[in-house]
Amino acid sequence: AQKVTQAQTEISVVEKEDVTLDCVYETRDTTYYLFWYKQPPSGELVFLIRRNSFDEQNEISGRYSWNFQKSTSSFNFTITASQVVDSAVYFCALSERRTGGGNKLTFGTGTQLKVEL
Amino acid sequence: EAGVTQSPTHLIKTRGQQVTLRCSPISGHTSVYWYQQALGLGLQFLLWYDEGEERNRGNFPPRFSGRQFPNYSSELNVNALELEDSALYLCASSLGTGGWDQPQHFGDGTRLSIL
Repeated sequence: AQKVTQAQTEISVVEKEDVTLDCVYETRDTTYYLFWYKQPPSGELVFLIRRNSFDEQNEISGRYSWNFQKSTSSFNFTITASQVVDSAVYFCALSERRTGGGNKLTFGTGTQLKVEL
Repeated sequence: EAGVTQSPTHLIKTRGQQVTLRCSPISGHTSVYWYQQALGLGLQFLLWYDEGEERNRGNFPPRFSGRQFPNYSSELNVNALELEDSALYLCASSLGTGGWDQPQHFGDGTRLSIL
């Protein structure tokens, strides 16, 4: 069965600090996708990134970067020079190929990030 | 482009009642997913609909049900409400079957409180 672990329940940083959110996953499949979502206080989950299991290239998008390491089953998310607007709950999720298509996401429990002035 | 819309935003019910939540997917998306986000339990997968059919369901009792209409909008019905049904119910949509790698796009959710 697939499982996603986000061991950090809550992280507090001061603005402009860098912060890394950890995500470790378990799956028996060789083909899968990993996602990160952001949930601000308003409640809506915002899609941030998708990574497939065959692409281990790291990705950078502005202040966000993602480090995918298949050898350690990790898909960590780093925010550089954090800002107050980054305060939210961040979820890592795993999707495996299913007969008939579509995807059922398995979410981690989320990491609450608080960025203070 | 309009995002996923859910109604109502908030709902207060009492034990034993029934409730219907509604979701309109992004235009062009045929798959609709429902999730329950209860305090302390994280996001739990409830149901997946595509092309009007239920494709998969999570570990929830039969009193959680739903349907998808020809325009791909969806309803989630919960019968015989219990206190532990209090949660944020999130709807998501994505491109449909074959699009298993597609990101899901979420609505703002319906916050259901059971008194």
